[in-house]
Amino acid sequence: QSVLTQPPSVSGAPGQRVTISCTGSSSNIGTGYDVHWYQQLPGIPPQLLIYGNTNRPSGVPDRFSGSKSGTSASLAITGLQAEDEADYYCQSYDSSLSAVIFGGGTKLTVL
Amino acid sequence: QLQLQESGPGLVKPSGTLSLTCTVSGGSISSSSYYWGWIRQPPGKGLEWIGTTYYSGSTYYNPSLKSRVTISVDTSKDQFSLKLSSVTAADTAVYYCAGDGRGYGSGSDYWGQGTLVTVSS
Repeated sequence: QSVLTQPPSVSGAPGQRVTISCTGSSSNIGTGYDVHWYQQLPGIPPQLLIYGNTNRPSGVPDRFSGSKSGTSASLAITGLQAEDEADYYCQSYDSSLSAVIFGGGTKLTVL
Repeated sequence: QLQLQESGPGLVKPSGTLSLTCTVSGGSISSSSYYWGWIRQPPGKGLEWIGTTYYSGSTYYNPSLKSRVTISVDTSKDQFSLKLSSVTAADTAVYYCAGDGRGYGSGSDYWGQGTLVTVSS
């Protein structure tokens, strides 16, 4: 069981907006550690989508955005496209574990 | 543009030691900006952080694997390596090397393609 909790799956129709939550605790997100998000398409390595809670690396469309509040963070995807169908992971740091931690992953299905 | 490439045996016997090397090209492993890490993903499962190193030799390990893991760096070859001892079938996974461009735990900008390591006799 992951220290960061994500919903196993979310879905949405093309053009819609979906959000993926990442719930932590006072020893990780709640302490102020940054949250990062990755997209993993089938058979290829994860790609960094959001770093430092809200920042997009060069080349990532602005349809992807991140936010953080309290002990949780969220990834929002607007204008959903078929190519967005993938697994999404959040990542942070936990001071109690002294470890980099990942969420269990969320599978996004575009209907 | 940095590129990372994992190399090493794809099959390791139970109780043996898994050894992988990541070669960094398109830049120097000694760049002060970068931390270098290993992450693994069992088939059909999520991502697990194994550990991270810096060119100076500083290392950070996942406590759940710490007793079995060694990560080292060879700046002369622009490589860093992973050794995982006493492996079992539970260590079967795709192993990725990655680079964090803004410091330890800052998000991995660059990833290798990954290499599947199977633990089996």
